[in-house]
Amino acid sequence: DTAVSQTPKYLVTQMGNDKSIKCEQNLGHDTMYWYKQDSKKFLKIMFSYNNKELIINETVPNRFSPKSPDKAHLNLHINSLELGDSAVYFCASSNRRGGEKETQYFGPGTRLLVL
Amino acid sequence: QQQVKQSPQSLIVQKGGISIINCAYENTAFDYFPWYQQFPGKGPALLIAIRPDVSEKKEGRFTISFNKSAKQFSLHIMDSQPGDSATYFCAASGGSNYKLTFGKGTLLTVNP
Repeated sequence: DTAVSQTPKYLVTQMGNDKSIKCEQNLGHDTMYWYKQDSKKFLKIMFSYNNKELIINETVPNRFSPKSPDKAHLNLHINSLELGDSAVYFCASSNRRGGEKETQYFGPGTRLLVL
Repeated sequence: QQQVKQSPQSLIVQKGGISIINCAYENTAFDYFPWYQQFPGKGPALLIAIRPDVSEKKEGRFTISFNKSAKQFSLHIMDSQPGDSATYFCAASGGSNYKLTFGKGTLLTVNP
């Protein structure tokens, strides 16, 4: 009964390739996020969508493009992968209409390794 | 610019001891201060959170102490257990987009 799920769990690819990561939440939340966690465990927000509208767009290379087809899904496409993109990418969701509007629920992460 | 500073980077505590992790923030617009717990290979999970209208919040063995004037807050884990061994992140948010700004994390090891 997974709340926030991500696919794939692991992704190993060559430099220069294009890859996508998918995220789905079954919590009925209206807001979803992408975070990057580097090798030092630092968590940094990349993007956030509320009701399919982009509301947070941090300083991220434009090789990264999020897409939200509906409130329950948020995908991340990465073009021309670089070594420095190797990290764990976490999807999260929250309900801005609810009482605990700031509480974010994280997925299990996608471990990306660029060779 | 690091808006939430967390210390220590790592912490080793004996079973039964008290673990204390500290955070300091700069942005006075922050009005929500959660702590997240992350086990290896897993995503972060909310542990406990506080708002600036109270100075302390306790849930079981976990307590947040909040000092608004000093712009500091801390997590206290009483009777620390080996199962508490994880990375702990403080965070802060404020404003209409509910963006969470995380500290750099503290790796807690509780020895049996």
